[in-house]
Amino acid sequence: AQSVAQPEDQVNVAEGNPLTVKCTYSVSGNPYLFWYVQYPNRGLQFLLKYITGDNLVKGSYGFEAEFNKSQTSFHLKKPSALVSDSALYFCAVRDARTGGFKTIFGAGTRLFVKA
Amino acid sequence: NAGVMQNPRHLVRRRGQEARLRCSPMKGHSHVYWYRQLPEEGLKFMVYLQKENIIDESGMPKERFSAEFPKEGPSILRIQQVVRGDSAAYFCASSPPDGSNQPQHFGDGTRLSIL
Repeated sequence: AQSVAQPEDQVNVAEGNPLTVKCTYSVSGNPYLFWYVQYPNRGLQFLLKYITGDNLVKGSYGFEAEFNKSQTSFHLKKPSALVSDSALYFCAVRDARTGGFKTIFGAGTRLFVKA
Repeated sequence: NAGVMQNPRHLVRRRGQEARLRCSPMKGHSHVYWYRQLPEEGLKFMVYLQKENIIDESGMPKERFSAEFPKEGPSILRIQQVVRGDSAAYFCASSPPDGSNQPQHFGDGTRLSIL
């Protein structure tokens, strides 16, 4: 069975500082991994994905994420946070082995960026 | 290109009534997913459908809830005899048929309130 853990309910960071939002996963086969962002009263927006290849993937708005197979992690990062990055972030996983489309989402991490 | 369209955006029902939530996927997308989100919580998978078929309904409550995605028209999530605990935001997402490594595209949700 697939599962995703986002160990932090909330992350606080000062504007201009680097940010990290943590995610670990569990799947039977190889993972397809995704990060989404949600702003108030809106649906989720896709940020980036890891399918195969380079472990460091770059996405929208300057975000990037590093796939670490040995640690089963896919942490989201940004070198310099903006106040406008404040939002709810979700990590998600699919099991590539089953070839299915079912996606499991983490519980979400709320990011607060302080000016 | 219109995104995923959900309507209504807000729906108020009294206990015992029926709620019908509609979702029109992005053009060319044949996979539809429904999720439920409670305040300050993550997304809970409910059901995954392709045109005229339910593929995975493992997240759907056994009673009162049903979903369909007919050959023509939007996907419908139907909740019969609503109770207070059904109050939540319900999100629909869609994805294209060309591979499970594609991200999902989300609508802005229907916020269901039960009086």
